[in-house]
Order: sequence, then C-alpha cells, then structure tokens
Amino acid sequence: QKEVEQNSGPLSVPEGAIASLNCTYSDRGSQSFFWYRQYSGKSPELIMFIYSNGDKEDGRFTAQLNKASQYVSLLIRDSQPSDSATYLCAVNVEYGNKLVFGAGTILRVKS
Amino acid sequence: SAVISQKPSRDICQRGTSLTIQCQVDSQVTMMFWYRQQPGQSLTLIATANQGSEATYESGFVIDKFPISRPNLTFSTLTVSNMSPEDSSIYLCSHTGTDYNEQFFGPGTRLTVL
Repeated sequence: QKEVEQNSGPLSVPEGAIASLNCTYSDRGSQSFFWYRQYSGKSPELIMFIYSNGDKEDGRFTAQLNKASQYVSLLIRDSQPSDSATYLCAVNVEYGNKLVFGAGTILRVKS
Repeated sequence: SAVISQKPSRDICQRGTSLTIQCQVDSQVTMMFWYRQQPGQSLTLIATANQGSEATYESGFVIDKFPISRPNLTFSTLTVSNMSPEDSSIYLCSHTGTDYNEQFFGPGTRLTVL
C-alpha cells in the first residue's frame, strides 16, 4: 500500500509569517510530487509540482524535495489570511499516471 | 490547463436509486480520472476512465457499483448505482496536464443520499 502522510493540523501562523507544511511518502519509485490547495467547499487547486531534489520557488511558495529521506515540503512566505485552506500533498506513484493523496493539513493564518 | 465542468453540481437522492455524473473538458485530454472525497477526508481514486475501453478500477471499487463511460477524449460519466447513505460524498473528475502527470480537477458533484 503506497502511502502519503501529512500532519492534519490545524497549523496556525500569524499573518506575515512563514508556514511550513510537510509530507512523507512510502514509494521510493515516486517521480513527481504535487501540492494542492483546497478551500472549504471547493475542489483542489494545483499550486506547485516538483520532481528534482532541492528547492523550487514560485512567488511566495517554495517546494522542497528530498528523495533520500522521502520527504517533500511546502513553504509559504508572508502568509496571508487568504492562504487559510487545506493543503494536500500528492505523489505520482511509480510507473503510472495515478496520484496518491495525503489526508491534508489545515492551515489557518490569523490576522 | 483545459477547463473542466461537471453536472450536476449537487444532488439529493433516495436510497436505492442511481445518479449519473457528467464531466466535460473543453479540449481533448489523454487521461481522465474519477475521485471520491468523503466528508472531512482526502481524495480517493475510484478509477481511470479509458477512452474506448473499460475503466481501470482501484481496489475497493467495482464496475457494477460505479460504471464509467468515456466515449471520446473530452467527456466521461460516472454512475453511482444502488445508492446508500454511505455514498454521500463529493465526486470529482480530473484530467492530466502535459508535463509531469499533474492533474486538474473539476468543480465536483456533492451527493447526499437519504
């Protein structure tokens, strides 16, 4: 059973702070890793994907991947109340187009 | 990414009935998927909708309960058959992008079974 683990939270951060969201995965053959944001009552929205070890930055978001540790994270700089949502980590399992999703981390940014 | 729409957006159904959910993409896409998101839970893949052939179901999901059609590269349907209250959930379709198997989701169908 291929698994993706996330801390369910909620993670509370003050406005302007850095939010750090973490995810671990069990399938060593996984190639691509995705972060989705899901607002209450809405469908998941793709924020970023990463496939190489290291950091990938896009605006206020930075994804970090460490394949040796089977660990992927998402940093949100200058957090805003509008960032309050559930963040889903998803992993592309080996030899397929399928994604396995973590349970999600609830982020609350307090103004 | 292609724009995805789903119909209906929500429905309330009686136990024992069936509901067909439609997913329409505004351009041709290779892969389409159906997910279920139960209240307070994450997404669970039901099946991959294959164009011109039978869908590929994940463990725990069967064709008799969740028949899927994909007649062309822009359209798919999911039927939830012989519904029970345990089928109350959000059902989402998605398609893959062109780069690294990223997926884009439709707005979802919120189903309540009484």
